[in-house]
Amino acid sequence: RKEVEQDPGPFNVPEGATVAFNCTYSNSASQSFFWYRQDCRKEPKLLMSVYSSGNEDGRFTAQLNRASQYISLLIRDSKLSDSATYLCVVNGGGADGLTFGKGTHLIIQP
Amino acid sequence: NAGVTQTPKFQVLKTGQSMTLQCAQDMNHNSMYWYRQDPGMGLRLIYYSASEGTTDKGEVPNGYNVSRLNKREFSLRLESAAPSQTSVYFCASRTTFPGQLAEYTRETQYFGPGTRLLVL
Repeated sequence: RKEVEQDPGPFNVPEGATVAFNCTYSNSASQSFFWYRQDCRKEPKLLMSVYSSGNEDGRFTAQLNRASQYISLLIRDSKLSDSATYLCVVNGGGADGLTFGKGTHLIIQP
Repeated sequence: NAGVTQTPKFQVLKTGQSMTLQCAQDMNHNSMYWYRQDPGMGLRLIYYSASEGTTDKGEVPNGYNVSRLNKREFSLRLESAAPSQTSVYFCASRTTFPGQLAEYTRETQYFGPGTRLLVL
């Protein structure tokens, strides 16, 4: 069974700090990797895809380590609006969609 | 362009009652999905439909049936609701833009706003 593991948190971080999440996946055949964000009582939304070369989108940086089968997300200069649950997501390449981690809960404190 | 829509938003059922959750997408996506989300369990796939006319079981299909009515619509039916089916249900649709390498395949899965179901 494919699995995606995340530290559930919560991570309590002061505004302006840098915070990093890691995620491990068990299916070595996984082809695509993503971070989704889910606000309380809302649907998950794509935050960013994760590429082998690493990619950055503003304050967010994603890294992939295929050898160790982990994915990371770095948030710099955190804002109050970054408070949410961050879901690590992996696609094994099949038609059955994505495998979601249980999420890491982030709380940014003023 | 409404994206993925779900009805109803909230529902309370008594044990043994039946209901159908409706989902529609207007993005011309081939694949559609039904998930449930429970505290501490994350999102779990109930059923999916890779294309119009096909449906397949996911991780937790027991107690549910689905219908892919057409390309736009994918419904989830609870024939005899049980308290264990109290959950938040999300419908999703997916599009894939293949890259030259699989790792650069761009994929987006869009979710509906969810249906909160309470079974008493």
